[in-house]
Amino acid sequence: QSALTQPPSASGSPGQSVTISCTGTSSDIGRFNYVSWYRQYPGKAPKLIIYEVTKRPSGVPDRFSGSKSGNTASLTVSGLQAEDEADYYCSSYAGNNIRVFGTGTTVTVL
Amino acid sequence: QLQLQESGPGLVKPWETLSLTCSVSGGSIITSDYYWGWIRQPPGKGLEWIAIIYYTGNAYQNPSLKSRVTISADTSKNKFSLRLNSVTAADTAVYYCARVGLAAADIHAAFDIWGPGTLVTVSS
Repeated sequence: QSALTQPPSASGSPGQSVTISCTGTSSDIGRFNYVSWYRQYPGKAPKLIIYEVTKRPSGVPDRFSGSKSGNTASLTVSGLQAEDEADYYCSSYAGNNIRVFGTGTTVTVL
Repeated sequence: QLQLQESGPGLVKPWETLSLTCSVSGGSIITSDYYWGWIRQPPGKGLEWIAIIYYTGNAYQNPSLKSRVTISADTSKNKFSLRLNSVTAADTAVYYCARVGLAAADIHAAFDIWGPGTLVTVSS
């Protein structure tokens, strides 16, 4: 099972939006609506910010939104804030109780 | 409030076995709604899913690691554990334990609660 593909980096100015893609295959993202996204600060554990493609856990601001089209999922962070500067990872269910993570994207707030 | 905490040796010699335990507090691992799992992150690199286990002992591993991985659960101690044998420098990583929701859970099919992680270095 190969890692999902994410761009290494993305950036935006405060207040702008940034969208991160996560490309898989017809065996994972394309087949299941079980894509999740995580934010990770340096030296810290990842934190869940999106699950089941579009849902936000309690306490996650609605500036974070998720979507999916075909084999590619996307995370959009609107109204960028300094605290959004972090690494972001996608993950997908791949059947047979297998999980796969993305390669990770570093978001920089300019 | 559910909390997870990893523990185990921070240094393992090459070709030996890495053993880690995840202690769960504020809730029981005996639940029909969740799996319990391990994820690792080599220094400066991305996340890699290792394995998950149900409290009954049903377990699933990353196919790329399956031959070296054993995951187990001790319901009497409310813990679950990871063993990775024949380690090499490539297994040096921060190891996280986490909870994964099943269909009946509020958060399904995602790692919703994580431990802080523990660094394991493979070196002689």
